[in-house]
Amino acid sequence: GDSVTQMEGPVTLSEEAFLTINCTYTATGYPSLFWYVQYPGEGLQLLLKATKADDKGSNKGFEATYRKETTSFHLEKGSVQVSDSAVYFCALREGNNRLAFGKGNQVVVIP
Amino acid sequence: GAVVSQHPSRVICKSGTSVKIECRSLDFQATTMFWYRQFPKQSLMLMATSNEGSKATYEQGVEKDKFLINHASLTLSTLTVTSAHPEDSSFYICSAVGTGTKEQYFGPGTRLTVT
Repeated sequence: GDSVTQMEGPVTLSEEAFLTINCTYTATGYPSLFWYVQYPGEGLQLLLKATKADDKGSNKGFEATYRKETTSFHLEKGSVQVSDSAVYFCALREGNNRLAFGKGNQVVVIP
Repeated sequence: GAVVSQHPSRVICKSGTSVKIECRSLDFQATTMFWYRQFPKQSLMLMATSNEGSKATYEQGVEKDKFLINHASLTLSTLTVTSAHPEDSSFYICSAVGTGTKEQYFGPGTRLTVT
């Protein structure tokens, strides 16, 4: 079935550093792709999405581009803040509206 | 818009008792709701898909008699954990899909602790 792979391990970086979280997917069709953010003790919030190849999703300084040729949807932010500390999940939506999630990456931003 | 609530946000129960968790779409109608389970520092695991007015569809390995799902209206789905055991302790998250859309809106989650 369709699946999402995120880079292993937490990410720790200093405030104002550049953030990249890798995400690749496997799908038989052309899924929509999403990044969700989860703050401690809370549910998931949609961060951004892209529905077709070459689309760029963006929100709150975060960006991700739907790359069909590399089956990737890497998340980037040019200058992180302490408030960006959270867990980030990459996901794809299958044809039946179900979401398949990656394992998530804990991001810790140090002042 | 598109707010989903869950109640309770936290619950502690004794082993052997049952616990009901509610998921409500506050400002839209949801024909489909999903229930997820999240273990500490892990991803979300889809438990079941709940469609209004019909039986839920459970994922492989999820016991339907243990995790009872009822989607009685277009704004409410409930998950009842029956005869709870400590291994059922987890973070349960629901999501709702509005009519005419494919977007899933997530609730804030319910932390269940079984002692």
